[in-house]
Amino acid sequence: GNSVTQMEGPVTLSEEAFLTINCTYTATGYPSLFWYVQYPGEGLQLLLKATKADDKGSNKGFEATYRKETTSFHLEKGSVQVSDSAVYFCALSVVTGKLIFGQGTTLQVKP
Amino acid sequence: SAVISQKPSRDICQRGTSLTIQCQVDSQVTMMFWYRQQPGQSLTLIATANQGSEATYESGFVIDKFPISRPNLTFSTLTVSNMSPEDSSIYLCSVGNQERTQYFGPGTRLTVL
Repeated sequence: GNSVTQMEGPVTLSEEAFLTINCTYTATGYPSLFWYVQYPGEGLQLLLKATKADDKGSNKGFEATYRKETTSFHLEKGSVQVSDSAVYFCALSVVTGKLIFGQGTTLQVKP
Repeated sequence: SAVISQKPSRDICQRGTSLTIQCQVDSQVTMMFWYRQQPGQSLTLIATANQGSEATYESGFVIDKFPISRPNLTFSTLTVSNMSPEDSSIYLCSVGNQERTQYFGPGTRLTVL
């Protein structure tokens, strides 16, 4: 079946540190891959996406590359800010349009 | 992307009662979905809301507990029936486009006492 696995949190970093949140997936066919972010008390916002192998999604300094050979879609940012503190969800979508989410990773950035 | 609103934004309800959540989109969309996010958990798809026909429910969710309506391409409702404290969650609607991308509403935060 289809599934998404994220690294467990919480991840605690100092401001300006480098961020990596690992995400791996299992899917039949050719999924699209997404990162969503949920700030405290808010709904989900689409952060970035990639629709085919080797695509790189990017937004607000965050990047993730669709790696078919390793079935991964790791989220990276070169220099995190306190305002990046949130829960990050990796997700995949298959042909039916359904989204399957990972368990979420909480990021805490300290000044 | 479409602008999605939900009502109510939050509510506190007594066990045994029902709550209807509304989802309004500012443009016509083909795909609408309802998700549940239990405290500290990820999102789980409840059902796909189909315009003009019965919703398609995921395993573990039934129509009697979560009836869904979708009278047109911009509006849907989810009812949480005969609530218990285990139903305390955030309920989110989303809309999907042709590129399989989904955009989410702000969510309804439900507490059942």
